[in-house]
Amino acid sequence: EAQVTQNPRYLITVTGKKLTVTCSQNMNHEYMSWYRQDPGLGLRQIYYSMNVEVTDKGDVPEGYKVSRKEKRNFPLILESPSPNQTSLYFCASSFSTGFADTQYFGPGTRLTVL
Amino acid sequence: KQEVTQIPAALSVPEGENLVLNCSFTDSAIYNLQWFRQDPGKGLTSLLLIQSSQREQTSGRLNASLDKSSGRSTLYIAASQPGDSATYLCAVPRSYNTDKLIFGTGTRLQVFP
Repeated sequence: EAQVTQNPRYLITVTGKKLTVTCSQNMNHEYMSWYRQDPGLGLRQIYYSMNVEVTDKGDVPEGYKVSRKEKRNFPLILESPSPNQTSLYFCASSFSTGFADTQYFGPGTRLTVL
Repeated sequence: KQEVTQIPAALSVPEGENLVLNCSFTDSAIYNLQWFRQDPGKGLTSLLLIQSSQREQTSGRLNASLDKSSGRSTLYIAASQPGDSATYLCAVPRSYNTDKLIFGTGTRLQVFP
């Protein structure tokens, strides 16, 4: 089944404890991205990747890191999480560019930083 | 700077009604526009993608139109069903042919039996 998977789905952590949220897609998509969703602010793009080893900042990249060492994986890293990073996170992928192709979203990761 | 607005923020209708959801954007120089559906606790599902050269796209009971000159898109849902209850979001590239997407804040739809 074609899908985007994220792990974990739920995470509660404390300020400053490094964490990684994994994202994997099995559709051989070149484009992958991360979003956060907050009430009243909607979905905002954090980082995106056009292909392996190619990443770029979205609208809210501060406090996040990403890497794209393999085509199928695009982990989101929070080196020192803070309470303002409490949010619902989505990973997405598309065949080529993010704006020209249909995007496929993962189920989301709900993160709480205490 | 591109801004995307969706009105209304919430909508509650009885089953069977035809309804229209609105999406407005400030910069008309868009490459395309996408409509998504989000169910509670789940990710987004792409419904329709309209290219800038198109005026509308149809999928089953859904019809999306695009009027670039006025900066508007509408999603028409025919004969609504309780299973249509979800949040509907529209998204456009932040500027022409960029990979940065900007989303509206969505319209939360409830269809009651």
